[in-house]
Amino acid sequence: KAGVTQTPRYLIKTRGQQVTLSCSPISGHRSVSWYQQTPGQGLQFLFEYFSETQRNKGNFPGRFSGRQFSNSRSEMNVSTLELGDSALYLCASSPRAGLGTDTQYFGPGTRLTVL
Amino acid sequence: AQKITQTQPGMFVQEKEAVTLDCTYDTSDPSYGLFWYKQPSSGEMIFLIYQGSYDQQNATEGRYSLNFQKARKSANLVISASQLGDSAMYFCAMREGGTGNQFYFGTGTSLTVIP
Repeated sequence: KAGVTQTPRYLIKTRGQQVTLSCSPISGHRSVSWYQQTPGQGLQFLFEYFSETQRNKGNFPGRFSGRQFSNSRSEMNVSTLELGDSALYLCASSPRAGLGTDTQYFGPGTRLTVL
Repeated sequence: AQKITQTQPGMFVQEKEAVTLDCTYDTSDPSYGLFWYKQPSSGEMIFLIYQGSYDQQNATEGRYSLNFQKARKSANLVISASQLGDSAMYFCAMREGGTGNQFYFGTGTSLTVIP
């Protein structure tokens, strides 16, 4: 079974631009979560989607948004990029809507650099 | 209060020796799952091991075992016979029971295996 895939793997943008990252979960998995990882802040939860609905949201500004499609693929968008948005963005999938027993499996991440 | 606490920012271990990475958690939910992930320098988060709150036995997966002490709310990862490839960041995580609950991650422990 194929793992979680994320595209693109690397991205360089300039301040003020916007960016869209894509995540395809493991086949059959319906929950997708997004995380931002930086050296200073560590791993921070962005949001979680299940059945095209946002189930949970972390403490990030409205410039960060996401969506999930009917095939469970998810995209996240960051508008008006700031230097501090430079980070590794990780996507994770799990079978169901955030049950305690469900493991999350991560993709390889998208490394975003904002210049 | 922090949901997951990892108090060891960095650890060193000699090759072929065993090492214990500490993790304590905080929850009042009787149903929860505990997870350990490994993150090599490449960035991908690799799932290692899972322990459910109702599991009677400590989880084991190959060279990884989880020392689960429920009363003390600790879930330490034990890596036996360390290998050079074990050098990485290790993250402890928890998801509480029920639907729609997010994952909580600790700040991680950087493990270096010395030849």
